[in-house]
This record gives sequence, structure tokens and C-alpha cells, in this order.
Amino acid sequence: AQTVTQSQPEMSVQEAETVTLSCTYDTSESNYYLFWYKQPPSRQMILVIRQEAYKQQNATENRFSVNFQKAAKSFSLKISDSQLGDTAMYFCAFLNDYKLSFGAGTTVTVRA
Amino acid sequence: EPEVTQTPSHQVTQMGQEVILRCVPISNHLYFYWYRQILGQKVEFLVSFYNNEISEKSEIFDDQFSVERPDGSNFTLKIRSTKLEDSAMYFCASSLDRGLDDTQYFGPGTRLTVL
Repeated sequence: AQTVTQSQPEMSVQEAETVTLSCTYDTSESNYYLFWYKQPPSRQMILVIRQEAYKQQNATENRFSVNFQKAAKSFSLKISDSQLGDTAMYFCAFLNDYKLSFGAGTTVTVRA
Repeated sequence: EPEVTQTPSHQVTQMGQEVILRCVPISNHLYFYWYRQILGQKVEFLVSFYNNEISEKSEIFDDQFSVERPDGSNFTLKIRSTKLEDSAMYFCASSLDRGLDDTQYFGPGTRLTVL
């Protein structure tokens, strides 16, 4: 079974600054997909970014980018120019056998 | 932009009652999923559904749970006899396929409260 570990329960960042969320996972698969989802206080799950394991290039989506280290099984999320609307719980997720396995989440608070 | 919708947003029920949670996946998607999130805990996979049958289910998805696609648009999760521990947020998700684009898009969730 795949496990996803997010070691930072909470992170706080000043508006306009950068914050990096860590995620590690365990798998014996060679081809897979990784995701970051955002869950604001409304509790809706919103896709932030996706990374295919076969791609060496790190995915970027506007202010969000990942650092994907396949050998280390690491998949961190960087939020640049943080905005108040980025305040949310962020979940790292691994897609295996067409089902997502989620980490425990990291609560990000952006301070004005 | 197409999105997954879920109704109701909040359901309160008495223990032992049946509940049906409804989802309308993105219209051209073929694969459908239910997940749940007990307050303060991880999001957990319940079941996946394709071509009118269950593809995979977790150990959580026992005989009290069932899913169906009663028409061309709705996808439902039924809990036959609710228990206190069923109180959670239930998320529906859909994906286009399982190869080229299997990104799962989530609905806003249904908060189920069992009293």
C-alpha cells in the first residue's frame, strides 16, 4: 500500500512571501501521478497542481510550483507571492490503482 | 468551467436511518469516486465506479454502502443504516479516463451528521 507523509501540520507565512510544503511518499511503482489539493475553510477540495512521474520537468501553475525528486520520493509544493486567499489545508496525494491516497495535510495560514 | 456538483451540502439524520448522497459528475467523465473525510482526519477512498459497476472499493465500503448511477447524470452513494461514526464529509469525484487524463476533480462535498 502506498503511504503519503506530510510532516508539517501547520505553516505560517507573511503575505507576498514564499512557503514550501513538504511531502514524501512510498511506492514501488515507476509510473504514477502526484497531486496537491487545497481545502479552504469551505472544505471543498480544489486541485492545485499535478505531476506525472515520468516527466522530469517540475510542474508549475501560476504561483504554485513543485519540486519533484523521484529518487528521493519527495514532492514539495512552493507557493510564491502568498495571498490571503491561499489560507487553507493543503493535501498531497498519490494516485495508485486509480484511487488517491492522501497525506494528513498541512494547514497554511497567510498573515496580512 | 465544468464542475462536479453535490447535493445536499449538509444532511442531518438519525442513527439507523438511510441516506442518499447525490453527485453530478462532469458530463464527459467516465469514472466516478466517493471519498470521505472524518473531521480532523485524512481523506479516505471509499469506492470507484465505471461502466455501471464498482471497479474497486476499500474496506470501509461494507454492505451498508451502495452506489449507483440511476440515470445519465447522477451518481449516488447510499448508506442503508447510518451509524454515529458515519458522520463525515463525503466527496464525490470524477475523472475523464484512467490513462491519458485521470486527474480527479472533486465536488464541494456533503457534510453528513448522524445524531
